[in-house]
Amino acid sequence: SQTIHQWPATLVQPVGSPLSLECTVEGTSNPNLYWYRQAAGRGLQLLFYSVGIGQISSEVPQNLSASRPQDRQFILSSKKLLLSDSGFYLCAISGEYNSPLHFGNGTRLTVT
Amino acid sequence: GQQVMQIPQYQHVQEGEDFTTYCNSSTTLSNIQWYKQRPGGHPVFLIQLVKSGEVKKQKRLTFQFGEAKKNSSLHITATQTTDVGTYFCAGQTGANNLFFGTGTRLTVIP
Repeated sequence: SQTIHQWPATLVQPVGSPLSLECTVEGTSNPNLYWYRQAAGRGLQLLFYSVGIGQISSEVPQNLSASRPQDRQFILSSKKLLLSDSGFYLCAISGEYNSPLHFGNGTRLTVT
Repeated sequence: GQQVMQIPQYQHVQEGEDFTTYCNSSTTLSNIQWYKQRPGGHPVFLIQLVKSGEVKKQKRLTFQFGEAKKNSSLHITATQTTDVGTYFCAGQTGANNLFFGTGTRLTVIP
């Protein structure tokens, strides 16, 4: 069965510092990968998705970026964090079209 | 752009009461999915509905997809404290990505 590894679980970073969140997947190949953000008490906002190595689509303009250097590795980055970047960051995978999303445990980021 | 609205935003019920959350899309959907997020946890997939008018049941949970494939509902019969969490619908049109509803946060009072 597929497993999503996401770390760290919690992170506190100062404004202006860089960010790197990593998501790795086991038990599947060539998955569709997603980064979602959830602000406190809010819904899920799709940030990036990838259908293959090196293929990244951005849904929302922001100071974040994503990369997929390997088939089962998805990285979310920022050069300089803003207070508004605080939130719950979730990596998710899906298979072919119309298949449901499976989420990782997420990273709670607090920018201070 | 596509929007998926979900109501109510919050619902408090006594244990044993029923609960319903509604999801409405501005466009016709190819399918709709439902997820549950426990407090402090991550969303977990519950079910997917594809056909017009489809009804599916999971124990005390009943999911419906409207005839026009623009709305859906989740009904929980005789809520229990284990039902606490936020329920999200997520709609998809064609080959596009899922659009999540705003969620309904359910509190069950013992």
